[in-house]
Amino acid sequence: RKEVEQDPGPFNVPEGATVAFNCTYSNSASQSFFWYRQDCRKEPKLLMSVYSSGNEDGRFTAQLNRASQYISLLIRDSKLSDSATYLCVVTRSYNTDKLIFGTGTRLQVFP
Amino acid sequence: GAGVSQTPSNKVTEKGKYVELRCDPISGHTALYWYRQSLGQGPEFLIYFQGTGAADDSGLPNDRFFAVRPEGSVSTLKIQRTERGDSAVYLCASSLEGEGYGYTFGSGTRLTVV
Repeated sequence: RKEVEQDPGPFNVPEGATVAFNCTYSNSASQSFFWYRQDCRKEPKLLMSVYSSGNEDGRFTAQLNRASQYISLLIRDSKLSDSATYLCVVTRSYNTDKLIFGTGTRLQVFP
Repeated sequence: GAGVSQTPSNKVTEKGKYVELRCDPISGHTALYWYRQSLGQGPEFLIYFQGTGAADDSGLPNDRFFAVRPEGSVSTLKIQRTERGDSAVYLCASSLEGEGYGYTFGSGTRLTVV
């Protein structure tokens, strides 16, 4: 079993739709949590950090549930430019070392 | 430099050959990481340097893989006796002192072993 699990998708949604991605992690000692975005044939880029209190950045909302070891990302009012792979990422310490990636969830927004 | 630079961007090699992949991190970043990404997968950790020393090499798949960072800046990932299964994109990232929030990835080297 992978340490970070995601539904690979693809999720095909129309412009303007709301879409949610989920991710689970198996190591209860995980400390920091992120969502990264990766465009086709490009490097991953940090989208946002994830906190237990939840955090929002424009149309994007991330949530962490430590008890269930579950992370979510909600995208409202989807744009064509949101089409990408969204990677769920955890670390095992606050000032780490390595990022542990899920396989990614592919999102395709159509007109 | 302004970003993390990786060279070459593409490398095609024959099975059994030796290859070197180079990473030039952001100036002043003490932490450097190598990852490998196969098609349809997320990046997989290989090795982490803090300064010149390898702080964690637990992700290196076998002894054909080796990495160095002799002066604490540029790093080279070396693969001996390449196999077709080594084909992947090799990503390098750097950050300040292992700070998880401050990662910057390079654009990667796409290695194809034929």
